[in-house]
Amino acid sequence: GESVGLHLPTLSVQEGDNSIINCAYSNSASDYFIWYKQESGKGPQFIIDIRSNMDKRQGQRVTVLLNKTVKHLSLQIAATQPGDSAVYFCAVLNNAGNMLTFGGGTRLMVKP
Amino acid sequence: DGGITQSPKYLFRKEGQNVTLSCEQNLNHDAMYWYRQDPGQGLRLIYYSQIVNDFQKGDIAEGYSVSREKKESFPLTVTSAQKNPTAFYLCASSYRRNTEAFFGQGTRLTVV
Repeated sequence: GESVGLHLPTLSVQEGDNSIINCAYSNSASDYFIWYKQESGKGPQFIIDIRSNMDKRQGQRVTVLLNKTVKHLSLQIAATQPGDSAVYFCAVLNNAGNMLTFGGGTRLMVKP
Repeated sequence: DGGITQSPKYLFRKEGQNVTLSCEQNLNHDAMYWYRQDPGQGLRLIYYSQIVNDFQKGDIAEGYSVSREKKESFPLTVTSAQKNPTAFYLCASSYRRNTEAFFGQGTRLTVV
């Protein structure tokens, strides 16, 4: 089955710096990946997604990079703000396209 | 406003009682999901449904039951057979396979 892991449980950055959150997955056939942001006591919010036919996708202040060779996914947040403080999850869709597997989450803490 | 609604936000249950968590969506999504989240951990799939009157077990279905009688509704029953039911429960829906899932705000269940 699919397994998804995150490299760091907690990431602390200075306000204004860039943040990078990493994620590894195990199934090389996975073709759809999503990053979610979860604030305390709330449901996860969709941030950005990427399909396996792409290496990079950009949104507003966020960029997702996909390295299929090493099965690695990263989320980059530019000019990190206090409002970015949350837990970030990567999720991978299984081959059948009916189940998302979530990583354990990385807590991002932004220091003023 | 379109969205996915979970109720109640907080729920207390005595040991040995069944309890049902509500999830309603007006997004016209075909697929709906239930996840469980324990403190400091990721999301684990309990059940999912791709179409009305059909649902499948996820990774941790034991002690839970669901129904999908209407497209808009996917209630989850936590039965007395669930050994450790205290957790944060998240419902999600997606338009179709291979698209992002949108989450409700969650129900925090506490067994007292």
